[in-house]
Amino acid sequence: GAVVSQHPSRVICKSGTSVKIECRSLDFQATTMFWYRQFPKKSLMLMATSNEGSKATYEQGVEKDKFLINHASLTLSTLTVTSAHPEDSSFYICSGLAGGSYEQYFGPGTRLTVT
Amino acid sequence: QKEVEQNSGPLSVPEGAIASLNCTYSDRGSQSFFWYRQYSGKSPELIMFIYSNGDKEDGRFTAQLNKASQYVSLLIRDSQPSDSATYLCALSGEASGTYKYIFGTGTRLKVLA
Repeated sequence: GAVVSQHPSRVICKSGTSVKIECRSLDFQATTMFWYRQFPKKSLMLMATSNEGSKATYEQGVEKDKFLINHASLTLSTLTVTSAHPEDSSFYICSGLAGGSYEQYFGPGTRLTVT
Repeated sequence: QKEVEQNSGPLSVPEGAIASLNCTYSDRGSQSFFWYRQYSGKSPELIMFIYSNGDKEDGRFTAQLNKASQYVSLLIRDSQPSDSATYLCALSGEASGTYKYIFGTGTRLKVLA
């Protein structure tokens, strides 16, 4: 299967700071990338859909000014959590979708802890 | 009404047995169906996808899709303790919009050695 990487795998930051998470498709071109968050023992919650070269589409209830998404190339999307607060602590996972395909391949996830 | 339903489990099966995981969905326009395995603390890993009615086999895994009855299932033959994980059913199609997934809440499988 296709490989997606995420960096960093874990990050701890202080309240009020911003954190950037990178998502890269390593062996395919991801025309679309998705960003999810997952709370313990819960299913994945889609935050936004990101298409290369265009603005991300956010799901209802997700603040676009707080969760900035950039999909600058066919292999890289970034999620920046701005002015992080403890309630933003979560497991953030990206996935990539190759053109013409319906299967999403997930990155290993980033565990964010805001103190 | 949930759009994708899975029994949360845990489903416990002895090692070597067949584990049967089921998923029902509400939108008949759904076109693509996926099974992911997620170990605790890790991200989901794609196991199978199925687009047409019938069975699709890959090694110890068989996905079954019945669009008329709106269910998709995953059979794991010769279950191993390493198969213990949460299995997520996902679908995409008209219900979710192009390419977006709708996930079930997952079924926790425990394979007992």
